[in-house]
Amino acid sequence: SQTIHQWPATLVQPVGSPLSLECTVEGTSNPNLYWYRQAAGRGLQLLFYSVGIGQISSEVPQNLSASRPQDRQFILSSKKLLLSDSGFYLCAWSDRPRGSNQPQHFGDGTRLSIL
Amino acid sequence: AQSVAQPEDQVNVAEGNPLTVKCTYSVSGNPYLFWYVQYPNRGLQFLLKYITGDNLVKGSYGFEAEFNKSQTSFHLKKPSALVSDSALYFCAVSLTGNQFYFGTGTSLTVIP
Repeated sequence: SQTIHQWPATLVQPVGSPLSLECTVEGTSNPNLYWYRQAAGRGLQLLFYSVGIGQISSEVPQNLSASRPQDRQFILSSKKLLLSDSGFYLCAWSDRPRGSNQPQHFGDGTRLSIL
Repeated sequence: AQSVAQPEDQVNVAEGNPLTVKCTYSVSGNPYLFWYVQYPNRGLQFLLKYITGDNLVKGSYGFEAEFNKSQTSFHLKKPSALVSDSALYFCAVSLTGNQFYFGTGTSLTVIP
């Protein structure tokens, strides 16, 4: 069966520090991968999605970046965090080879607090 | 532009009563429709989807959803609510499978 792992679960970082959040998927190949931010436990904001290694689409201009160095690995990064980067970050995958009607499957998220 | 609306921020229902969480959408083309549930400090869990065919879709935990093309709605329903159903519910649509558009969520509270 397929699983998705995100770490760390919680993170407290000072303003201006770098960030690296990692997400890996097991049990599938060539998935679509996504990073979302959820503010105040509500709406989801799509940050990045990827349809393959090295292919990243950015949805919102910001000081965050994403990379996909391997088929089932998706990394969210920042060189200098802002206070506004606080939030709940969710990674998700969908089964691209099975077609465009597949749901997304989410990790358990990283709660990021910027001090 | 594609959009999804969940008109109710909060829905309260008594345990054992039927529940409905509303969702309407505005997309060009024929969308795929999804419902997800989120418990505190967890990721979203997939409940059910509508692709084509029967307008009534059955999903996990006794939930079902009714697709209405003329009203562009996809309301989530359950005949008898449980306290454990209390959570945040999200409706989502997709056209291509690469991008998903989510509603703002509805917080469901089931009162014992």
